[in-house]
Amino acid sequence: DIQMTQSPSSLSASVGDRVTITCRASQSISNYLNWYQQKPGKAPKLLIYAASSLHSGVPSRFSGSGSGTDFTLTISSLQPEDFATYYCQQSYTTPPYTFGQGTKLEIK
Amino acid sequence: QVTLKESGPALVKPTQTLTLTCTFSGFSLTTSAMRVSWIRQPPGKALEWLARIDWDDDKFYSTSLKTRLTISKDTSKNQVVLTMTNMDPVDTATYFCARTYLGLAVAQYYFDYWGPGTLVAVSS
Repeated sequence: DIQMTQSPSSLSASVGDRVTITCRASQSISNYLNWYQQKPGKAPKLLIYAASSLHSGVPSRFSGSGSGTDFTLTISSLQPEDFATYYCQQSYTTPPYTFGQGTKLEIK
Repeated sequence: QVTLKESGPALVKPTQTLTLTCTFSGFSLTTSAMRVSWIRQPPGKALEWLARIDWDDDKFYSTSLKTRLTISKDTSKNQVVLTMTNMDPVDTATYFCARTYLGLAVAQYYFDYWGPGTLVAVSS
C-alpha cells in the first residue's frame, strides 16, 4: 500500500498567519491527492481534490499544490474557524486508499 | 441535497460480527460516477479507509482487513452495509460512510459527502 506522511504532526499559529502543511507519498501518485479538514466530533470535510482543485464552497484562502510525491496545503490567512486537524489522502489507481496521520492546527 | 447516515450497534463484544448500515439520499448508487466507502477513526487517531462499493457492484477492501470485511448494497433502499467479523477492542472507532465521487473533470475519486459517523465500542 502507498504510505502517506504528513508534516508537521502539529502546528501552532495565529489568526492571520500563512500556514503550510506538507504531505509526502511513498511512491509517485501524480496529482491523485485530496485534502480534508476535520473538527472535533465531526466528520471530515473535503477541501481540495486532485492536488489543487478547490471543492465547491471552500474559501479561496485554501490552496493546494504538488505532484509526484510531494504536496502542500496552504492557508493564506488563518481564520478562527480554520483551527482543526487536516488530512491528506491518496486515490491513485484502484483502492486501497490511504490517509496521512493528520496535522493538528492549534491557536498560538 | 446529499446526505448519508450510519447506523448500527454502539457496543459489540469481542469475537462478534459488526453490521453497519449507511442510508443515503440525494444520489443514486446506480449512477456510474457514484460509489460509497466506509472509513473509520479510532479515538484520537487518524482516518483509515476500509472498503468501497461501486454502482456496478465492484468491491474493494483494505489490504489488512479484507479477510474480515464484506460490503454490499441495496439500491432499492439506498443503503450500503458493512460487516466486520471477529471484532476486537482495537476495532473501537467511529465508523463513517462517505460518497466516493468520480470527478469527471479530473477523472479522480474523492470523498465529497460524509455521514456524521457512529461510534462503535468493542468490550466484553
